[in-house]
Amino acid sequence: DQQVKQNSPSLSVQEGRISILNCDYTNSMFDYFLWYKKYPAEGPTFLISISSIKDKNEDGRFTVFLNKSAKHLSLHIVPSQPGDSAVYFCAASAGGNTPLVFGKGTRLSVIA
Amino acid sequence: EAGVAQSPRYKIIEKRQSVAFWCNPISGHATLYWYQQILGQGPKLLIQFQNNGVVDDSQLPKDRFSAERLKGVDSTLKIQPAKLEDSAVYLCASSWELERQSELFFGEGSRLTVL
Repeated sequence: DQQVKQNSPSLSVQEGRISILNCDYTNSMFDYFLWYKKYPAEGPTFLISISSIKDKNEDGRFTVFLNKSAKHLSLHIVPSQPGDSAVYFCAASAGGNTPLVFGKGTRLSVIA
Repeated sequence: EAGVAQSPRYKIIEKRQSVAFWCNPISGHATLYWYQQILGQGPKLLIQFQNNGVVDDSQLPKDRFSAERLKGVDSTLKIQPAKLEDSAVYLCASSWELERQSELFFGEGSRLTVL
């Protein structure tokens, strides 16, 4: 049973446009959400996070939105750049020392 | 600052053979994690250490997988005997503290192919 779902395996966007990556979750105990970025042959790297007490968190070109009632979050990248091409993983935590639960990832391709 | 080091990067073995992966976390990081990432899936936690004690190994297939973290620094993950379904990338990660999960630093991973 997938608790964190990324239903789009891939996404293709033109350079300069907005990229929107979506993530849904089923466990209402999750209260902290993260996005990781992964390039080929490298480990995932932390990108941005959001606590359940917020509905938006922004860091430069990256913004994460959280809709708790819909159990949905999204990552917006504006403007998209070719260097953003990578696999993006959504992850969630129920707090304390409970482990992160990852989605399957979405492969973003930014076309110049 | 040196990152999380893992070796070997690639390993090919036949089923029923054994394999071991090594991880050296970032200096000073108390918490160490082993994740399994099967192709097309997200990382799945296998085991979590705080210093040299196990915090969570509920998803570790203990009949064939074992892990240790001697002296609270380096860690080794062993599979014996390997099965075809163990083909995956094994990711090691570390963090300063147990609760600061946003600051997980991952290594490059060890890719295992079981034939």
